[in-house]
Amino acid sequence: DQQVKQNSPSLSVQEGRISILNCDYTNSMFDYFLWYKKYPAEGPTFLISISSIKDKNEDGRFTVFLNKSAKHLSLHIVPSQPGDSAVYFCAASLFQGAQKLVFGQGTRLTINP
Amino acid sequence: DAMVIQNPRYQVTQFGKPVTLSCSQTLNHNVMYWYQQKSSQAPKLLFHYYDKDFNNEADTPDNFQSRRPNTSFCFLDIRSPGLGDAAMYLCATSRGGQGLAYTFGSGTRLTVV
Repeated sequence: DQQVKQNSPSLSVQEGRISILNCDYTNSMFDYFLWYKKYPAEGPTFLISISSIKDKNEDGRFTVFLNKSAKHLSLHIVPSQPGDSAVYFCAASLFQGAQKLVFGQGTRLTINP
Repeated sequence: DAMVIQNPRYQVTQFGKPVTLSCSQTLNHNVMYWYQQKSSQAPKLLFHYYDKDFNNEADTPDNFQSRRPNTSFCFLDIRSPGLGDAAMYLCATSRGGQGLAYTFGSGTRLTVV
C-alpha cells in the first residue's frame, strides 16, 4: 500500500537540458508536497515544496507542478547541472497533530557533461 | 550551524543484541522523527515525538522503541535486532507546523551480523 510512488528509479539527462522527475500519489488528504535531494552518505535536504491549493511553485532553476485531478506532481530542473546529480525523493504531507511525511522510493538523477 | 546529528554513522550489531542509535539537534524543534530506509525503498516512518508526546506508527514492530529525554536528544532502541532490521535509520526534526520541511541528519547505517 504505497501512497507515494516514483516509478522511474533512474534518469539520465545531458547538462544544460531539462530534467523532469515525476511522482504519483493516491491519498487526496495530502496537504503539501515536497521534494528532497540526497547525496551519498548524507541525509536528504529540502529542495522545494508546494501546497495542495496551488498548481505551481518556482524557485530559481527548480519548478514543481501539481495536478490534483491526476494526483501527480513533477519537478523540473532547468538548466540541469552536474551538481544536480543525486537521488530525488518526492514526499507528501499529512497533518495529524504533527506533520508526517510519506516518501516515494526516490529517483537517481545523473547529469552527463 | 544549527543541525541534526546522528551517531554513529555506521553501526554493526550482532543478531539479537540490543542496539541504540542516537540523534541530537540544535534547532530547538518540537518534533523529532525516526525513519527506516531499506535499500532502494522509500523511507518509512517508525514513530515521532511531539515535545514529550510519543506517537507510534501502527505497523512499527514492537522491537523498535524510542526515548526522548529532553528537547535536544532522541534515541532509537532496537531490542533484538534481526537480519531484516539492517537499514539506514534517519532522524529528522521539524517545528511541527503544517507544510514545514523536515531537517534530516546524515543517518546511521545499521548492519546486523
